[in-house]
Amino acid sequence: SQTIHQWPATLVQPVGSPLSLECTVEGTSNPNLYWYRQAAGRGLQLLFYSVGIGQISSEVPQNLSASRPQDRQFILSSKKLLLSDSGFYLCAWMRQGSTEAFFGQGTRLTVV
Amino acid sequence: KNEVEQSPQNLTAQEGEFITINCSYSVGISALHWLQQHPGGGIVSLFMLSSGKKKHGRLIATINIQEKHSSLHITASHPRDSAVYICAVNRGTDKLIFGTGTRLQVFP
Repeated sequence: SQTIHQWPATLVQPVGSPLSLECTVEGTSNPNLYWYRQAAGRGLQLLFYSVGIGQISSEVPQNLSASRPQDRQFILSSKKLLLSDSGFYLCAWMRQGSTEAFFGQGTRLTVV
Repeated sequence: KNEVEQSPQNLTAQEGEFITINCSYSVGISALHWLQQHPGGGIVSLFMLSSGKKKHGRLIATINIQEKHSSLHITASHPRDSAVYICAVNRGTDKLIFGTGTRLQVFP
C-alpha cells in the first residue's frame, strides 16, 4: 500500500535560521509531489510541485526552495527563515494521470 | 475571488444535528475532494468524487457538475466530528485547488 511520511510534525525556529522539511512516499514510483502552505486563516496554497527527479516548478515567489533528489523524496528548504514563513506545510502526492491525492500529516512551523 | 469557495466558514452544532457544508467552484474540474483536518493539522481524505453521490458511515458527499457545487453532509453529528472540512478540486490531473475550509464544532 502507498504511504507518505512527512516530518517533523511541529517545529519552532528562530528568524534567520535554515529550514529543511522532508517528505517521502512509499509504495509507488514516479509520483507527482507537492508542497502546500496554509497561512493562518487561509486555504492551502501550492508552493512547489515536481513531476520527476530534479524537476521543480514554483507557483509563488518566496523565501523557500524545493528539491527532489530521489524519485520518492521531496524536500522543502530555506536558507534564512522569515516570520512570515510561519504556517502549516503539507506534502502531498498524486499518481501521474490520476486525480486521487494522498496527504502527509503536515508540519506546523512557527518562526520566532 | 477564490476559485473554490466554501460556506459557512464556521459552524457550530449540537450533538445529533444534521450538518451541511457547501462548496462552489468556478473552474472546470476532473474531480472534487472532501478532506478533514483535525486540530493537530493532519489531513484525512474523506471523499473523491466526479459525479453523483458517495456515502461512508454518517458522511455523505454530493456533487452537481452542471451547477459546479458540492455538499458534504454529516448525519447524527458527534463531538468527534469537530474539525476543519476542506473542499479541493482537481484541474486536470495534476494540481489541486483548495477552499479555505469550514471549521465545525459539535457540542455535546
